[in-house]
Amino acid sequence: ETGVTQTPRHLVMGMTNKKSLKCEQHLGHNAMYWYKQSAKKPLELMFVYSLEERVENNSVPSRFSPECPNSSHLFLHLHTLQPEDSALYLCASSQALRSHTGELFFGEGSRLTVL
Amino acid sequence: QKEVEQNSGPLSVPEGAIASLNCTYSDRGSQSFFWYRQYSGKSPELIMSIYSNGDKEDGRFTAQLNKASQYVSLLIRDSQPSDSATYLCAVNKRGTYKYIFGTGTRLKVLA
Repeated sequence: ETGVTQTPRHLVMGMTNKKSLKCEQHLGHNAMYWYKQSAKKPLELMFVYSLEERVENNSVPSRFSPECPNSSHLFLHLHTLQPEDSALYLCASSQALRSHTGELFFGEGSRLTVL
Repeated sequence: QKEVEQNSGPLSVPEGAIASLNCTYSDRGSQSFFWYRQYSGKSPELIMSIYSNGDKEDGRFTAQLNKASQYVSLLIRDSQPSDSATYLCAVNKRGTYKYIFGTGTRLKVLA
């Protein structure tokens, strides 16, 4: 049982669909992240929210739209995706401390396939 | 130059041996360093974090940090087949929320 839960675990969508990925953290952390993991590539940071404010946006295409309604929930809204967007999408959380940012804890991921 | 570099492997070691995994990073302002283990089809799982120069031990795992050489390593003693996974090195830049990951080293422990 992980402190960060993601749904759905698997998603298949067409290029014209709209879907959302959901993430919930039960660790009391104050920062939440979306990462993309593709084969043979390092994890790519997409978005970071700290205290519900977006603090990082890594030049991600506008077809990915994040939403953070509170410190425990994070969404990634998907629309008009491309086949190259097929990947494992990982949500993570951390507790930002005064001296440094703490460890990053990941959810189990949402495997996305775009047809 | 990649921000975080790891040898992709696979690194093969016999059961019971010491596995040594290495990572270099380019940003001297990096402050926090992490090792994650990722089994195939699963998400990364935190193994160790290290923040200051020297060694940090936790069970069979030892993380070593040398900021002058911009080098961090992970030693796994008494390697077990269950240790077979991809090991990701991650670095956090000072004052940011950016955790930069390497591509990972695939470890195979042979029974």
